[in-house]
Amino acid sequence: KAGVTQTPRYLIKTRGQQVTLSCSPISGHRSVSWYQQTPGQGLQFLFEYFSETQRNKGNFPGRFSGRQFSNSRSEMNVSTLELGDSALYLCASSLAGQSQETQYFGPGTRLLVL
Amino acid sequence: AQRVTQPEKLLSVFKGAPVELKCNYSYSGSPELFWYVQYSRQRLQLLLRHISRESIKGFTADLNKGETSFHLKKPFAQEEDSAMYYCALQARPGTNAGKSTFGDGTTLTVKP
Repeated sequence: KAGVTQTPRYLIKTRGQQVTLSCSPISGHRSVSWYQQTPGQGLQFLFEYFSETQRNKGNFPGRFSGRQFSNSRSEMNVSTLELGDSALYLCASSLAGQSQETQYFGPGTRLLVL
Repeated sequence: AQRVTQPEKLLSVFKGAPVELKCNYSYSGSPELFWYVQYSRQRLQLLLRHISRESIKGFTADLNKGETSFHLKKPFAQEEDSAMYYCALQARPGTNAGKSTFGDGTTLTVKP
């Protein structure tokens, strides 16, 4: 099976712009989670989608949003970018997002905000 | 609220020495705990999970509910073990369904 893919891999934006990141889960996986990874903060949970519904979200401002499509692909959007949004954004998929399931991570999208 | 604490950001040991990466958690209920590893230039991947009670690459981790810990151990570290290690708690269904909490990670360096 192909692994989790994320596009684009690298992105440079300026403050105030918005950005959309895409994640394609492993075939058959219906749960997609998004994380922000920074050197100082580690891995921070953004949100999780299952069957096109956001089931849970972390402590991020409303500028961070996402959605999931019927084929389980997911997108994450960040509006009004700030310098502090520069990070590696990871998505992970699992079969159904159950607590005992392994999450499979993508390579990440590295976002630089200037 | 669920929380995962990895008290050591950096850990350095010599090849052949024992290694222990600490992980403490807080969670109201029975947790599902995992260790994920990120080797240089590779994506984050599962190392082991407590539910499997397995040993992967010589690593083991025991869930201690009394001390709310899930420390990762290996009796003889190898240079290829150098990586970033994350302890993670994955919430059971209910209000926290789908929510995962990761520690800040520990960078392990195994010196020759």
